[in-house]
Amino acid sequence: DTGVSQDPRHKITKRGQNVTFRCDPISEHNRLYWYRQTLGQGPEFLTYFQNEAQLEKSRLLSDRFSAERPKGSFSTLEIQRTEQGDSAMYLCASSYRPGRYNSPLHFGNGTRLTVT
Amino acid sequence: EDQVTQSPEALRLQEGESSSLNCSYTVSGLRGLFWYRQDPGKGPEFLFTLYSAGEEKEKERLKATLTKKESFLHITAPKPEDSATYLCAVQAGGETSGSRLTFGEGTQLTVNP
Repeated sequence: DTGVSQDPRHKITKRGQNVTFRCDPISEHNRLYWYRQTLGQGPEFLTYFQNEAQLEKSRLLSDRFSAERPKGSFSTLEIQRTEQGDSAMYLCASSYRPGRYNSPLHFGNGTRLTVT
Repeated sequence: EDQVTQSPEALRLQEGESSSLNCSYTVSGLRGLFWYRQDPGKGPEFLFTLYSAGEEKEKERLKATLTKKESFLHITAPKPEDSATYLCAVQAGGETSGSRLTFGEGTQLTVNP
């Protein structure tokens, strides 16, 4: 179990540029989640996948945000035309649902985005 | 809408001084309540899941309890390495809640030697 891996750890970009983040979940986990966290706040849900299907998206997820999980393995989160308000830590998590109850979410160490 | 409120926002303790953190929640059909620890610059680290009122879980100096409206994280004889932000989250049942967790804003705990 190597844990959830996120890349890059830090990203600085200029307003208006596009950015893409990658998440590699724990290998046997079938669910993958994206959260956003700003300083002093708890993580906010953005979206989640079960295998390759995107099952839920938050109202926080504007049209500039898109997430994919091809083949049900790694996932990417793209932000187009970045704005200063997009500056945050973007966290990825994964879990496994064997039955009625989910296993807990296991988080990566996030990608910190700074938009200048 | 699911809501989670944590108190206090920040807590300073002396090493060995026991205390409790509070998590109050409003949720339509609780499927699970989760406690996480988060160190600066890191992702949240899972501690406990509680599923029903009256349930308790323990791990080293930490003990989590659950009622129908709130959860407590009791810290017994804390050490400086227990310093972190502690996050509470709920997972709701029902068709529209999906699988997401709704987090509180966390309690920042500092334990002084």
